[in-house]
Amino acid sequence: DTEVTQTPKHLVMGMTNKKSLKCEQHMGHRAMYWYKQKAKKPPELMFVYSYEKLSINESVPSRFSPECPNSSLLNLHLHALQPEDSALYLCASSQGGQGFTEAFFGQGTRLTVV
Amino acid sequence: EDQVTQSPEALRLQEGESSSLNCSYTVSGLRGLFWYRQDPGKGPEFLFTLYSAGEEKEKERLKATLTKKESFLHITAPKPEDSATYLCAVRVFSGSARQLTFGSGTQLTVLP
Repeated sequence: DTEVTQTPKHLVMGMTNKKSLKCEQHMGHRAMYWYKQKAKKPPELMFVYSYEKLSINESVPSRFSPECPNSSLLNLHLHALQPEDSALYLCASSQGGQGFTEAFFGQGTRLTVV
Repeated sequence: EDQVTQSPEALRLQEGESSSLNCSYTVSGLRGLFWYRQDPGKGPEFLFTLYSAGEEKEKERLKATLTKKESFLHITAPKPEDSATYLCAVRVFSGSARQLTFGSGTQLTVLP
């Protein structure tokens, strides 16, 4: 099973709302990622968690707040977003540790900020 | 600086017309090159991992190859359902984590 599950699939939120994106995997992977993808562009890395610790934050604005409650779950908390934050948000996981293995992606959350 | 460049940006083929997509890279120490397929509005679907020059992987109509400077994704006798954006990515080491750096993708359209 190589499934990464993201919820919700679609989200519309106002600029004053607070919402969360959720991601779950049961492959025993210890590295989890958040990517942002705009139309006709490749995914851009936002955050990397390695063994439940934040190891990379690609200078993402503080209105995006990641959380890794355990090795299977990854959340992205959203607050006071801007319309330009509208995008497809992708979660991914890989084995982590010393391995340089492939990452498996979820189907994404299509976020629209109004 | 690590760079991944894919060409062409877009490719239109007739059904059955074989072709190749290119991914060239300049990274300080390749730790893996990965090919993904992405359908509109969906997450990337993993296809292949290549680790060393000379390595080849095949799956149905797709074959991926790797040299020291580039990778090719060969598509033999494509069908309309092969239409998608094909992304390559390289694994680089950054601090305590290993992250993927993506190319900009090739949008493939296969016409019936």
